[in-house]
Amino acid sequence: GAVVSQHPSRVICKSGTSVKIECRSLDFQATTMFWYRQFPKKSLMLMATSNEGSKATYEQGVEKDKFLINHASLTLSTLTVTSAHPEDSSFYICSARSGAGLGGAQHFGDGTRLSIL
Amino acid sequence: GQNIDQPTEMTATEGAIVQINCTYQTSGFNGLFWYQQHAGEAPTFLSYNVLDGLEEKGRFSSFLSRSKGYSYLLLKELQMKDSASYLCAVRLSTGANNLFFGTGTRLTVIP
Repeated sequence: GAVVSQHPSRVICKSGTSVKIECRSLDFQATTMFWYRQFPKKSLMLMATSNEGSKATYEQGVEKDKFLINHASLTLSTLTVTSAHPEDSSFYICSARSGAGLGGAQHFGDGTRLSIL
Repeated sequence: GQNIDQPTEMTATEGAIVQINCTYQTSGFNGLFWYQQHAGEAPTFLSYNVLDGLEEKGRFSSFLSRSKGYSYLLLKELQMKDSASYLCAVRLSTGANNLFFGTGTRLTVIP
């Protein structure tokens, strides 16, 4: 149980393209989803917290207009990297929390490797 | 601010035991997690401690001392497939109670 599906797994595109990444909780409802970014040999850095039906909460230094987050249902959150540039190339990982409050565990998707040429 | 320290790299021999330490200083604490991450893949959950003491789960055990801000992950009977990065993460008590990750320890298991 508690499977998180992330799609696509890999994207290679030209600079200036907008890229949408989907994160789905397959067998549970997730009121909260998290988006992380990871550079090679570095740890996961939280970008934003996505709450169903409300605006996402962004971490300091993360551009809201650059990284658009939509959490339209209890099982789907999307991250759109708008007008992507080479410096946006990274490994993006979503995570969904099952259960309410602190008792819910965080389950991770398989990640999306984004390469901007 | 938040800070988690782990050794960057460790090497151990197949069949041996290895202990990966983690120290943390965070503005709040609601549990400590250990994840395993193979290169290019997402983290997979290994263990969770919220109270002091040892949690054992097969070949993996994790220990927590909240007063010392210290945890360790113990891996027994090491196998080649255990070569991976091991991430220590603290669940914060502020905001959305998200996980704050350390930089990870890259473990290499040699024959």
